[in-house]
Amino acid sequence: AQKVTQAQTEISVVEKEDVTLDCVYETRDTTYYLFWYKQPPSGELVFLIRRNSFDEQNEISGRYSWNFQKSTSSFNFTITASQVVDSAVYFCALRDRTQGGSEKLVFGKGTKLTVNP
Amino acid sequence: DAGVIQSPRHEVTEMGQEVTLRCKPISGHNSLFWYRQTMMRGLELLIYFNNNVPIDDSGMPEDRFSAKMPNASFSTLKIQPSEPRDSAVYFCASSPTRGRPGETQYFGPGTRLLVL
Repeated sequence: AQKVTQAQTEISVVEKEDVTLDCVYETRDTTYYLFWYKQPPSGELVFLIRRNSFDEQNEISGRYSWNFQKSTSSFNFTITASQVVDSAVYFCALRDRTQGGSEKLVFGKGTKLTVNP
Repeated sequence: DAGVIQSPRHEVTEMGQEVTLRCKPISGHNSLFWYRQTMMRGLELLIYFNNNVPIDDSGMPEDRFSAKMPNASFSTLKIQPSEPRDSAVYFCASSPTRGRPGETQYFGPGTRLLVL
C-alpha cells in the first residue's frame, strides 16, 4: 500500500534559521506524483509543489527548496531563513493508484513548524 | 479566478440532525474530491468525482454519508443522521483532468463541523 511518513511531528526554530522537513514515501508504482501542502493556523490547505517521479531535479522557489531522491524514497522540504509567517503544518502527499482510476492523495500526518521571533 | 468555494464555513448541530455541506469547484476543473481531516486519522479521502460521476467512494465511512454532483459546478456531502464522531473539518478540492494523471488538487477553505 502507498504510504507517506513524516517522522517529525513538531519543529520549533528561531526566525532566520534554516529548517528541513522530512518526507519518506512508499509506493510500488514506477510513475508517481508527490506534493507538499501548507496549512497555516487559519486552516486552509495551500498547494506548494507537485513533482513527478521522472523529474529528480531539485527545485527552488524563493526561500523554499525541495530535494527529491528516488534512491532513498524521500522528498524533503527546506525553508531558508525562516520567518514567523512560515509557521504552519506542512503535509507531504502521494497520489495513490491502488483504486483503479482514482486520483486519491495519501497524506502524511504533517509536521507542525513554529517559527519564533 | 475564484478558488474552491465551500459553505458553510462552520456548522454546529446536534446529534441526529441532517447536515449538508456544499462545494463549488474551480471553473473548468472536472475532478472533485471530498476529504475529511481529524486529529486521529489525519486527512483522508471520502469520495472522488470525475466529470460528475463518482469514481472512488471507498472512503465514505457508512451509509449515513452520501455525496452528489448534479452538475460540473456544484457538489454536496450529506450526513444523515449526524453523530458526534463526525465532527471534523471537511475539505473539498478540485483539479483539472487534462488526460494526465497526478494533477494538482486545489483545496477549499474547509467546513468545520461540530456535532454535539
